[in-house]
Amino acid sequence: AQSVTQPDIHITVSEGASLELRCNYSYGATPYLFWYVQSPGQGLQLLLKYFSGDTLVQGIKGFEAEFKRSQSSFNLRKPSVHWSDAAEYFCAARSYSGNTPLVFGKGTRLSVIA
Amino acid sequence: KAGVTQTPRYLIKTRGQQVTLSCSPISGHRSVSWYQQTPGQGLQFLFEYFSETQRNKGNFPGRFSGRQFSNSRSEMNVSTLELGDSALYLCASSLATTGSDDTQYFGPGTRLTVL
Repeated sequence: AQSVTQPDIHITVSEGASLELRCNYSYGATPYLFWYVQSPGQGLQLLLKYFSGDTLVQGIKGFEAEFKRSQSSFNLRKPSVHWSDAAEYFCAARSYSGNTPLVFGKGTRLSVIA
Repeated sequence: KAGVTQTPRYLIKTRGQQVTLSCSPISGHRSVSWYQQTPGQGLQFLFEYFSETQRNKGNFPGRFSGRQFSNSRSEMNVSTLELGDSALYLCASSLATTGSDDTQYFGPGTRLTVL
């Protein structure tokens, strides 16, 4: 079955430190890949997406993600975290073939400390 | 361009009642998808509508239904509410082009509380 795994439920980083959130997918073929962010009580905001081409994808708010086919991973990174980055982050995937729904990981909650 | 809008933002209902939630997609978007978000189950796909037709359906009981109108606006209905239906219901819209860029953009959600 198609699935997306985010191994880390909760991560705490210091403001100004670097961040990496992990995401692994299990699909028959490389899917479309997305990262969304959700602030408390809000909807999901798209950070970035990967469809094909360059494996390093730039997104909004200074985030980037790297697609690694050999590891079935699509990890999200940010060089320097700001307190406003505290939120829940969701990795999602959708199959290339046909009109199929997004499959989400369980999410990683990011806390930022001073 | 205005984003996805959902109404109402908050709802409180009692068990056994029914509820209708509304979603207006981004202008020009033809596909609307609905998701249920709970702390225990995370984000789960309910259904997707395209050109007034249900194109995909998740694994939810028949109490959950939806429809899409000719202007792409969508409604979802939950009948005979149960306590477990308390959740954030998210709507997402997309262009629904076949092939590459069919990114989903989400609304702020409707928080449903069932008492």
